[in-house]
Amino acid sequence: DTGVSQDPRHKITKRGQNVTFRCDPISEHNRLYWYRQTLGQGPEFLTYFQNEAQLEKSRLLSDRFSAERPKGSFSTLEIQRTEQGDSAMYLCASSLGGSAYEQYFGPGTRLTVT
Amino acid sequence: DAKTTQPNSMESNEEEPVHLPCNHSTISGTDYIHWYRQLPSQGPEYVIHGLTSNVNNRMASLAIAEDRKSSTLILHRATLRDAAVYYCTGRGGGADGLTFGKGTHLIIQP
Repeated sequence: DTGVSQDPRHKITKRGQNVTFRCDPISEHNRLYWYRQTLGQGPEFLTYFQNEAQLEKSRLLSDRFSAERPKGSFSTLEIQRTEQGDSAMYLCASSLGGSAYEQYFGPGTRLTVT
Repeated sequence: DAKTTQPNSMESNEEEPVHLPCNHSTISGTDYIHWYRQLPSQGPEYVIHGLTSNVNNRMASLAIAEDRKSSTLILHRATLRDAAVYYCTGRGGGADGLTFGKGTHLIIQP
């Protein structure tokens, strides 16, 4: 399967703990996006990369959120000091370029903060 | 940010055409209009996208209004597998990520 993969698929953590999610994009895609989705809402854009450069991070929800894509391939999203309000589905997507190209989404990581 | 307006839900019968409308007056003239659909507990699935003229692919057709303030996704013969939440979307505020609304929950009756 050459689609976007995400790991883990589910994560349960206690409030205050740090969590890290991984996304592996489609191999030839240079753009990688992170979104968050809460119940009953559409995905909410967080940040994106072109190769290893993070081109937009003002949409990250707070300074507890950070993302990396160190070699322009896989990416990680870290949430420090998790709060119950962070419980959501975290989605990763990749594409060949900007608006003219479709984005392919992974299955998501479901985070539950207790 | 791009703002989209879609009906909360629509219902159709199997094997009939479905027209899903979207108003998107704030998507800029150079940004593509994208449609995605999502099943419960899955990531969104790309359906179709276009800029100004109508577009067709194996899944659907996209009719874009001449003023680009609205578009309609057309499923030519709905099947039970087409039941999903459908989102029209576009880039928001210059950032490259897509801005999603709440979408339309499409119900297909057998």
